Amino acid sequence: AQSVTQPDIHITVSEGASLELRCNYSYGATPYLFWYVQSPGQGLQLLLKYFSGDTLVQGIKGFEAEFKRSQSSFNLRKPSVHWSDAAEYFCAVGSRSNDYKLSFGAGTTVTVRA
Amino acid sequence: DVKVTQSSRYLVKRTGEKVFLECVQDMDHENMFWYRQDPGLGLRLIYFSYDVKMKEKGDIPEGYSVSREKKERFSLILESASTNQTSMYLCASLRNRIANTGELFFGEGSRLTVL
Repeated sequence: AQSVTQPDIHITVSEGASLELRCNYSYGATPYLFWYVQSPGQGLQLLLKYFSGDTLVQGIKGFEAEFKRSQSSFNLRKPSVHWSDAAEYFCAVGSRSNDYKLSFGAGTTVTVRA
Repeated sequence: DVKVTQSSRYLVKRTGEKVFLECVQDMDHENMFWYRQDPGLGLRLIYFSYDVKMKEKGDIPEGYSVSREKKERFSLILESASTNQTSMYLCASLRNRIANTGELFFGEGSRLTVL
């Protein structure tokens, strides 16, 4: 069974600084990988996804993520954070043997200080 | 614009009451999901449905049931609510399969408090 670990529960970053959120997954083969964002009072929105091919994936809102098979990681990055990036971020993994189920990490809350 | 609508944003119920959470999507998606979101636990899948009248258990189905009589509507039912079911409930829909699009569309959530 697949699983996801997000080691950081809460990160505080200054506006304009860079951001990196960690995600480690457990899965026997190459998984489908996703990052979702949840703004306060909102549902989750897809930021980016990795299925195959280029291991550096570009998403919306200036985010990118890099798939590293050797480290079982899919870390999310943004070079310069805006106050509107304050939200909760979820990493998720999907299985190629089950086309319907995503497993989500516990989430990382990002606070942006002025 | 795609939309998943959860009719109740906030509910307060008493222990033992029957609770219905309704979700409607307007995207003609085949698949619909109910997740439960708790701090420190992320999202956990309760049930999903891949077609009308079809359902599959997720990771935490105990104490819940679902109904999908029409393609656009997926209901979560708590037959006898308990305090440990106090949580945020998120509905989502998916076109076809994860391998094809991978994008779940989520509603804004229903926050249920059971007293």
